[in-house]
Amino acid sequence: AQTVTQSQPEMSVQEAETVTLSCTYDTSESDYYLFWYKQPPSRQMILVIRQEAYKQQNATENRFSVNFQKAAKSFSLKISDSQLGDAAMYFCAYRTNTGNQFYFGTGTSLTVIP
Amino acid sequence: DAGVIQSPRHEVTEMGQEVTLRCKPISGHNSLFWYRQTMMRGLELLIYFNNNVPIDDSGMPEDRFSAKMPNASFSTLKIQPSEPRDSAVYFCASIGQGALSNQPQHFGDGTRLSIL
Repeated sequence: AQTVTQSQPEMSVQEAETVTLSCTYDTSESDYYLFWYKQPPSRQMILVIRQEAYKQQNATENRFSVNFQKAAKSFSLKISDSQLGDAAMYFCAYRTNTGNQFYFGTGTSLTVIP
Repeated sequence: DAGVIQSPRHEVTEMGQEVTLRCKPISGHNSLFWYRQTMMRGLELLIYFNNNVPIDDSGMPEDRFSAKMPNASFSTLKIQPSEPRDSAVYFCASIGQGALSNQPQHFGDGTRLSIL
């Protein structure tokens, strides 16, 4: 089975600075999909960004971008110009191409310091 | 467009009682997932359904847990009898079939369950 590893249980960043959250995964598939979800204290799970493994170009959504390194099986999330509202738990997720199974990492708790 | 709807939002009950959590997926979505989230174990997949049929229930912790999906618009997760270690936030999520596989899961707001 695929596994997703987030090695940073907690991270902090100064407001307006940039922070990178790491995620690695283990798979034997060549085609798959990767996601970052944000879970604020309200506990909603909000999609931040997604990446298709067949695409070489890194996905970008406003202040959020990813560094997708397929050979290294790495999928990090970069948050630029951090804002107080970015404080949340962030989950990395992997979806197989052959079904609807999702695999989640254990999450990184991000604190934004004013 | 309504999202995934879960009820109740909070549930507090005594050990040994039966607990029923409910979920209404997004209309048109035909895959539904139940997750449990705790500080210790993170987000765990309990079971998922495809077209109302359970596909993978390997995450269901024990026989005290059961899940049903009688139709495309409703699912329940039942715990009987409940135990304090079942205290967690339970999420329901859904996704559409036939859509591009880059589609994310859509989550409900979760049910915070506390077993005293």
